[in-house]
Amino acid sequence: QVQLVQSGAEVKKPGGSVKVSCKASGYTFTRYDINWVRQATGKGLEWMGRMDPNSGNTGLAQKFQGRVTMTRNISISTAYMELSSLRSEDTAVYYCARGWAIDSRFDPWGQGTLVTVSS
Amino acid sequence: ETVLTQSPATLSLSPGERATLSCRASQSVSPSLAWYQHKPGQAPRLLIYDVSHRATGVPTRFSGSGSGTDFTLTIGSLQPEDFAVYYCQQRSNWPPTFGQGTRVEI
Repeated sequence: QVQLVQSGAEVKKPGGSVKVSCKASGYTFTRYDINWVRQATGKGLEWMGRMDPNSGNTGLAQKFQGRVTMTRNISISTAYMELSSLRSEDTAVYYCARGWAIDSRFDPWGQGTLVTVSS
Repeated sequence: ETVLTQSPATLSLSPGERATLSCRASQSVSPSLAWYQHKPGQAPRLLIYDVSHRATGVPTRFSGSGSGTDFTLTIGSLQPEDFAVYYCQQRSNWPPTFGQGTRVEI
């Protein structure tokens, strides 16, 4: 079945960086975008950006430009999202989600990765 | 960016009742509007895409409608497992955006 499996929870210090992975299975990795969405505690869903695994091209929300890098390893069907210059406000659950080019769907989603930023 | 405003913020209903959730966009987003159900500790679940298309495996009590800037998610008869937070999301305009969510509570 189609699924996205993310890496485990992380605890990082302010000013540091974190890299979250998202391994795809059950479909051709290069045919669908990978999107990253986060949810801070008590807040709603926030779209961060997307990557085309085929080309490596990315598009980021303005808020995250300069702090987020999205990459992929096609040989292992895995996408990565690295967030740098971490601050306490970045404490959140980070999700990857497959984006469909032909319609509005984000489906499926990874299980989420909790990133805690604390000194 | 396109702002999606969901109302109400919280909907208090009983099992068996009908739920009507609203999503209003600051500019037209048709037809690229989706709805998700989100429960604590779980990943968001796609319910509806392209305004009115039910995702695979989604019960028929969930339906979506609307056009332009005004959209509705209707849950025909609330089941105990439907109490959750619901988000609308658009991909018509860059960047993709989510509404702030509607909590459906008992």
